[in-house]
Amino acid sequence: DAGVIQSPRHEVTEMGQEVTLRCKPISGHNSLFWYRQTMMRGLELLIYFNNNVPIDDSGMPEDRFSAKMPNASFSTLKIQPSEPRDSAVYFCASSWKGTNEQYFGPGTRLTVT
Amino acid sequence: AQSVTQPDIHITVSEGASLELRCNYSYGATPYLFWYVQSPGQGLQLLLKYFSGDTLVQGIKGFEAEFKRSQSSFNLRKPSVHWSDAAEYFCAVGAGDYKLSFGAGTTVTVRA
Repeated sequence: DAGVIQSPRHEVTEMGQEVTLRCKPISGHNSLFWYRQTMMRGLELLIYFNNNVPIDDSGMPEDRFSAKMPNASFSTLKIQPSEPRDSAVYFCASSWKGTNEQYFGPGTRLTVT
Repeated sequence: AQSVTQPDIHITVSEGASLELRCNYSYGATPYLFWYVQSPGQGLQLLLKYFSGDTLVQGIKGFEAEFKRSQSSFNLRKPSVHWSDAAEYFCAVGAGDYKLSFGAGTTVTVRA
């Protein structure tokens, strides 16, 4: 299995631009998570999907952030407009519901200038 | 809600020496417990997990962890560290639903 796939691995953009991060979960997993990691705040859960449906988005910091999961093999996290404080590493993880056993992708390092 | 404390922010250990990373959790029932490792610039990799049964669990890369209910602990150990073990280690606890609570992490430096 290829594991969780994220793209791009690195993204540098200017403040005000739209950013879209992509994730392909492990085949057969039905839960998907988006996390953000910063030095100041550590690892934060942004949103959780189960069977493609958003279940908990309480971690999404602002309306500028949105996430979708149109099918079982693809999810996006969009930031519009982006701000310098959004600079972080964004991870996608997937699991089989109920196991808590999450597998992480390599992350997308976002830099907003 | 469950929570995790990793008391040590940074540990330095000599190559070949033993390593123990501490993890304490707070949860009312039997938790699901995990250790993850994150090498620089990489994602989190699952080292080992505890769901039930034998309280000493073996993981990848020669790591093991012991669940001690009386101490609410799940400490990670390795008998002899290698330079490649330099990384950040995260303990996590789950309650059987979907959410994992992560500790703040312990950075391990290995000196020659």
